[in-house]
Amino acid sequence: DAGVIQSPRHEVTEMGQEVTLRCKPISGHNSLFWYRQTMMRGLELLIYFNNNVPIDDSGMPEDRFSAKMPNASFSTLKIQPSEPRDSAVYFCASSWQGSGSQKETQYFGPGTRLLVL
Amino acid sequence: EDKVVQSPLSLVVHEGDTVTLNCSYEVTNFRSLLWYKQEKKAPTFLFMLTSSGIEKKSGRLSSILDKKELSSILNITATQTGDSAIYLCAVTAAGTASKLTFGTGTRLQVTL
Repeated sequence: DAGVIQSPRHEVTEMGQEVTLRCKPISGHNSLFWYRQTMMRGLELLIYFNNNVPIDDSGMPEDRFSAKMPNASFSTLKIQPSEPRDSAVYFCASSWQGSGSQKETQYFGPGTRLLVL
Repeated sequence: EDKVVQSPLSLVVHEGDTVTLNCSYEVTNFRSLLWYKQEKKAPTFLFMLTSSGIEKKSGRLSSILDKKELSSILNITATQTGDSAIYLCAVTAAGTASKLTFGTGTRLQVTL
């Protein structure tokens, strides 16, 4: 299995620009999570989807952030307009919600390192 | 709001030492506690604990949950330089699907 795939791996942009991060979850997984990691705040959950439906977006910082999951194999996280304080590593993770003891196990992608100048 | 606190924040040990990392939590309707290891890239799964007092073991790593004390420890014996990483603790609550609440992590450095 290819694991969770994220793109781009690195992104440098100027303040005010739109940024789109992409994620392909592990095939067969039905839950997808977007996290942001910074030195100050650690790993924070932004939003998660179950069966392509957003379940909890309470971690999304503000209206500049939006996420979509149009199908089971693709999700995007968009920041518009971007600000320097959005600089962080953004991780996507996926898991399988069903019977079995490992259903909370989330598998993380390699992350997108975002720098907003 | 669910909360996870890890200690110490960072730790430097010599190769061969044994270390114990701590995780305490406050969560409504606790369901599970997970440990992850994060080296330079993405967190990788180590253990999931749901029952008190049952040790999970993988090689030199082991972990146990104490629901009475709302805490867990992660032990690493005979540490190696490859154990240098950030160790993250996370909890899930019933009724929240797989939503993980993470602690800020313990940064472990193992020196020669």
